[in-house]
Amino acid sequence: GDSVTQMEGPVTLSEEAFLTINCTYTATGYPSLFWYVQYPGEGLQLLLKATKADDKGSNKGFEATYRKETTSFHLEKGSVQVSDSAVYFCALSDGPYKYIFGTGTRLKVLA
Amino acid sequence: GAVVSQHPSRVICKSGTSVKIECRSLDFQATTMFWYRQFPKQSLMLMATSNEGSKATYEQGVEKDKFLINHASLTLSTLTVTSAHPEDSSFYICSARGGGRNYGYTFGSGTRLTVV
Repeated sequence: GDSVTQMEGPVTLSEEAFLTINCTYTATGYPSLFWYVQYPGEGLQLLLKATKADDKGSNKGFEATYRKETTSFHLEKGSVQVSDSAVYFCALSDGPYKYIFGTGTRLKVLA
Repeated sequence: GAVVSQHPSRVICKSGTSVKIECRSLDFQATTMFWYRQFPKQSLMLMATSNEGSKATYEQGVEKDKFLINHASLTLSTLTVTSAHPEDSSFYICSARGGGRNYGYTFGSGTRLTVV
């Protein structure tokens, strides 16, 4: 079945460092891909998404490109801030209502 | 924007007791709600889908008699873990899908259940 694999955390970075969180997927169809973020004590929030190959999703300085050839959707940010500390979930959806999530990666940014 | 309130955020209960988790859509009507659980270092897994006024649809391997879901109104869904055991300890999170112009998915903040 479909699945999402993302790198284990925690990831600890200094402020202004470059961030990459890897995410790869397996799917039989043509899923949409998502990154969700969960800040402490809050629900999951949609960070960005891409619905087809080569699409780039971006939001709040974060970017991810839907790479069909490598089945990847890596999350990147050029310069992280302390306020970016959160848990990041990669997910795919290949039909209504059906989300498949990765395990989540905890990011800790130090001042 | 759309907000989903999930309560409680943390609960500790004794084996054999039941625990109810509430999920409320605060500013929209949620025609469909979803319940997920996450074991440590594992993915969020969909447990069940509930539509207002009808029985929930459970994913394969999820015991419907153990995880009772009630979606009695357009703003409230509840998950009751009956006769809880330590292996039920997990992180449970709901999401809601609105009708009308709001077709997005909004997640609650999650509930950390510990059964001792």
